[in-house]
Amino acid sequence: EDQVTQSPEALRLQEGESSSLNCSYTVSGLRGLFWYRQDPGKGPEFLFTLYSAGEEKEKERLKATLTKKESFLHITAPKPEDSATYLCAVPPRAGGTSYGKLTFGQGTILTVHP
Amino acid sequence: GAVVSQHPSWVICKSGTSVKIECRSLDFQATTMFWYRQFPKQSLMLMATSNEGSKATYEQGVEKDKFLINHASLTLSTLTVTSAHPEDSSFYICSAEQGQETQYFGPGTRLLVL
Repeated sequence: EDQVTQSPEALRLQEGESSSLNCSYTVSGLRGLFWYRQDPGKGPEFLFTLYSAGEEKEKERLKATLTKKESFLHITAPKPEDSATYLCAVPPRAGGTSYGKLTFGQGTILTVHP
Repeated sequence: GAVVSQHPSWVICKSGTSVKIECRSLDFQATTMFWYRQFPKQSLMLMATSNEGSKATYEQGVEKDKFLINHASLTLSTLTVTSAHPEDSSFYICSAEQGQETQYFGPGTRLLVL
């Protein structure tokens, strides 16, 4: 069974204090790994898709990396508006026309203080 | 990025009534859409997978007669909560799959059943 574990559960940073969030996965035949941001009372907002070990993607202050066992979301010089819950998710291994049911981690609640 | 909308964003209804929630992919066609439910401070729980032109596939434990799903076109899926009760109060989120890959989420619909 696919498993996705995120750590830490919660992270408090001062504005400008860089850090990383971790997403460990146990999936046979990874087809992709997704990162989302979710603000309270809203649906998840897509950030990145990573497909293979060694891949990196960046968006503003965020950079996502992928190894064979885990993914990191690096936040450089965060601002208060980066405060949100960050979710990672993986699709099932089975092939098909759809990625199907995603397995989500429990999320990391990031709070950035001014 | 791709945009998914939901309507309404929130709804209050009396116990016993039915409520319909719409999910639209605004700038792409989605053969597959998904319906999730999220409880406070918990991760997303997949309720059903909706495929255009065919019957939805429900997750174990989700009552298909209570949560009616219709995916009549490549840009619209609807979830109808029939004979709603207070325990159905929740945050409902849809997602649409673009290009058989990334799922983009709607902003969510908050349902309160009195």
